[in-house]
Amino acid sequence: SQTIHQWPATLVQPVGSPLSLECTVEGTSNPNLYWYRQAAGRGLQLLFYSVGIGQISSEVPQNLSASRPQDRQFILSSKKLLLSDSGFYLCAGEGRQGRSNYGYTFGSGTRLTVV
Amino acid sequence: GEDVEQSLFLSVREGDSSVINCTYTDSSSTYLYWYKQEPGAGLQLLTYIFSNMDMKQDQRLTVLLNKKDKHLSLRIADTQTGDSAIYFCAESITGGFKTIFGAGTRLFVKA
Repeated sequence: SQTIHQWPATLVQPVGSPLSLECTVEGTSNPNLYWYRQAAGRGLQLLFYSVGIGQISSEVPQNLSASRPQDRQFILSSKKLLLSDSGFYLCAGEGRQGRSNYGYTFGSGTRLTVV
Repeated sequence: GEDVEQSLFLSVREGDSSVINCTYTDSSSTYLYWYKQEPGAGLQLLTYIFSNMDMKQDQRLTVLLNKKDKHLSLRIADTQTGDSAIYFCAESITGGFKTIFGAGTRLFVKA
């Protein structure tokens, strides 16, 4: 089975500082990987998805970026954080077998507060 | 466009049944899902249903799909306090790489 590891669990960063959130996958090869953001009391907003190494699709234009340097590693970054970047960031993965037929596996999330 | 809608809150008494409803817009959906999110945690897949099915039962969970009305529901029998969480409805679009999530329904279970 697939396991998604995310860290850190909690992060407080000043406005204008850089960001790097890492997500790693265990148990599956060639997964599709996703970054979602969940604002307080709201649903999930898809930020980026990746179908393979170096392949990134952006859903929402903003000051965030994503990279996939290795098959099982997905990184969310920012050069300069804004207050509006605060939220709960979730990494998710799905195995290639049948693609999304069996749903996503989510990491435990990173709570980012920009102050 | 693609959209999934849910009511935001539901409150039930312990032991009663809970019914969480969801509507979606894309008729090409192949799979529909229910996820559960406990406070401060990621989402956990509860169950899913293929779009050519009408119903799926898994222990206390029953999923009903009305494809004509694009309506999905999740029934939790004998609701317990441990069922208190946010429940997300989601649809997977044929030929796409994305799953579209609703905003989530917060279930409160009163003892």
